[in-house]
This record gives sequence, C-alpha cells and structure tokens, in this order.
Amino acid sequence: DAKTTQPNSMESNEEEPVHLPCNHSTISGTDYIHWYRQLPSQGPEYVIHGLTSNVNNRMASLAIAEDRKSSTLILHRATLRDAAVYYCILGEGAQKLVFGQGTRLTINP
Amino acid sequence: EAGVAQSPRYKIIEKRQSVAFWCNPISGHATLYWYQQILGQGPKLLIQFQNNGVVDDSQLPKDRFSAERLKGVDSTLKIQPAKLEDSAVYLCASSLTGIGYTFGSGTRLTVV
Repeated sequence: DAKTTQPNSMESNEEEPVHLPCNHSTISGTDYIHWYRQLPSQGPEYVIHGLTSNVNNRMASLAIAEDRKSSTLILHRATLRDAAVYYCILGEGAQKLVFGQGTRLTINP
Repeated sequence: EAGVAQSPRYKIIEKRQSVAFWCNPISGHATLYWYQQILGQGPKLLIQFQNNGVVDDSQLPKDRFSAERLKGVDSTLKIQPAKLEDSAVYLCASSLTGIGYTFGSGTRLTVV
C-alpha cells in the first residue's frame, strides 16, 4: 500500500485558514488522494478526494502538487467543529482505504 | 439518506466470551467494510465484502473472528473467544463506488 506522511498534530485559531500537509512521494499514477476526518467518538467522515487537479467542495479544498508527491487540505475558515483527526490516504479507485495515524487538528477559540 | 447503522453502541465482555456486532449499510451500497480501531491508532481494515462475497479478509484473525453479509445487505462480525487485545472500536462502512466511504458510529468493545 502506498504510504503517506502527515504531521502528528497541528494547531490553529478559529476563523483562520488551516493548511494540512501530506507527503506521498511513492504515489502511483492511478492512486487517488483521499481525505477523511474523525471527530471525537465518531466514525471517519469523507472530506474530499482528487487525482491530479485541485478540487473544491463545501467542506474544503484539496491542492495537489504538480508532481503529485504532496497535497494540502485547506479549511478556509476553521471553526471549533473542525477539531478532529485528519487522514490523508492513497487508494486506487475502489481499493481498500488504509488509514495511517493522521494529523490531530486543534482549533483554539 | 439514512446513514450506516451499527449496534450495539457499547459492549463489555469478559475474556474468552463471544460477542457479535451488527451493521446495516446504506441502501444500495454494494461494498461493505469492517474496520478495527484501537485507541490512539487509525482504523485497520478487517474485511471487505462486495455484495455477499468476501473481497479481502487478509487482515482478519480467522482463528477467532468471523464475518458474514446476509443477502448482500446486513452484516455481522463475531469474535469467539475474545482476548484483552480485542478491546477497540469496530467500525462498519459502506460505499457505492469505492470513492467516498460512509462510516457508522462504531461499537466500542471492552474486554476485561
């Protein structure tokens, strides 16, 4: 399984943008980049995914480097409800998602 | 749409006892997954079903864990006998296309 590297933890302030980095230097040409987040005492929640181009949805934006060896999840205006563990995962289409340790995001009021 | 339903929400058993977890996926989702999440770690895939067939069970400890998916809809995961190290949250997820899983809230198992 292709591997990703994320910081263990990050901290940001409410109403500010948050940029969560992910390195995936061994990504293959057919791997999608998926982001999930897990709020306390809940199952993971889908956030966004992309292949080559940057992606936007109502929750976040995904910026993918031109060489695809890294990506950044962008929360445009963090709220306290965005405090969670964020997982960056590589997967080829319908292949099983292999979760790593993720980044624990803390939002300060 | 209704989410992925799991029950029970919590379960406490003694070691060597058996336990079963139930999952009802989103209607129409052909793919169903069971994950185990130990405290402080990311979820680990145990088994993947496509309709009622097993696609991947390479990480399932088959000497004590079993799973089935009845008629390609509901699924049960069983542990018999349980060990202390099985204490974890058991998460069920379903997917229509494999892109974008929907997870249930999980069953928190404590083995004492």
